[in-house]
Amino acid sequence: NAGVTQTPKFRVLKTGQSMTLLCAQDMNHEYMYWYRQDPGMGLRLIHYSVGEGTTAKGEVPDGYNVSRLKKQNFLLGLESAAPSQTSVYFCASSYIANEQFFGPGTRLTVL
Amino acid sequence: GQQVMQIPQYQHVQEGEDFTTYCNSSTTLSNIQWYKQRPGGHPVFLIQLVKSGEVKKQKRLTFQFGEAKKNSSLHITATQTTDVGTYFCIAGGYQKVTFGTGTKLQVIP
Repeated sequence: NAGVTQTPKFRVLKTGQSMTLLCAQDMNHEYMYWYRQDPGMGLRLIHYSVGEGTTAKGEVPDGYNVSRLKKQNFLLGLESAAPSQTSVYFCASSYIANEQFFGPGTRLTVL
Repeated sequence: GQQVMQIPQYQHVQEGEDFTTYCNSSTTLSNIQWYKQRPGGHPVFLIQLVKSGEVKKQKRLTFQFGEAKKNSSLHITATQTTDVGTYFCIAGGYQKVTFGTGTKLQVIP
C-alpha cells in the first residue's frame, strides 16, 4: 500500500497562475482533507470531503476549490495564486473521523 | 467557537529528562487525537482518546484525557533524541477539526 500520495512535491508559481494539487489514497477511506501549514505554525483545514462527490469548507477555504470525483482522489485547485498562498499543503484521509493518515506534503511558493 | 490551546509552545530538555505537553479546550470534546511531526516531515498519528479520564501508554509515552473531556496531556518519560519534533493535538470530530498550536520539543544530547 502506498498510503496517501501527493503530486507534485514542489511547485513555484507566479501570482495569478493556476494549478491543481492531487491527493490519492489507496486505503478506501471515506474522509479526505486538505490542510495548509505556514512556517512555524500549526495546520489549518482548507476543505474536506466525507465521501465521493461531496466537499465542504474548512477553516480557511477562500481562494481554493476542491473536487472529489473519485473516492480515492481529492483535488485542490488554486484559480489565481497569491503570495499569501505560499505554504506547505498536506492531504490526509481517514476512515470516518478516526486516525488521519497524512501525505508527504506539497511545498508551494507563489512569487 | 471551539478553541484549543496547547502549552508550552516550545520546550528544550536535556536527554533523559521528562516532557509534558497539554491541550486545553474551551468546550467539551468528543475525542482527542495526538500526532507527532518530525522537522520537515508530515504529521503521524500517535493515539486517540475517547473516554473521560482515559489513560493510554505507548512505551515511554503516556496520554491522558481529562475527566471533563476538556483537556489532555502527553507525557514522555526519559526523552531521547528521537523524540525531537512537534506534537499536535486534534480536538473533536471531522466537523470541528481543531488543531492545537503544537509544542516543539528539542532534546539536547
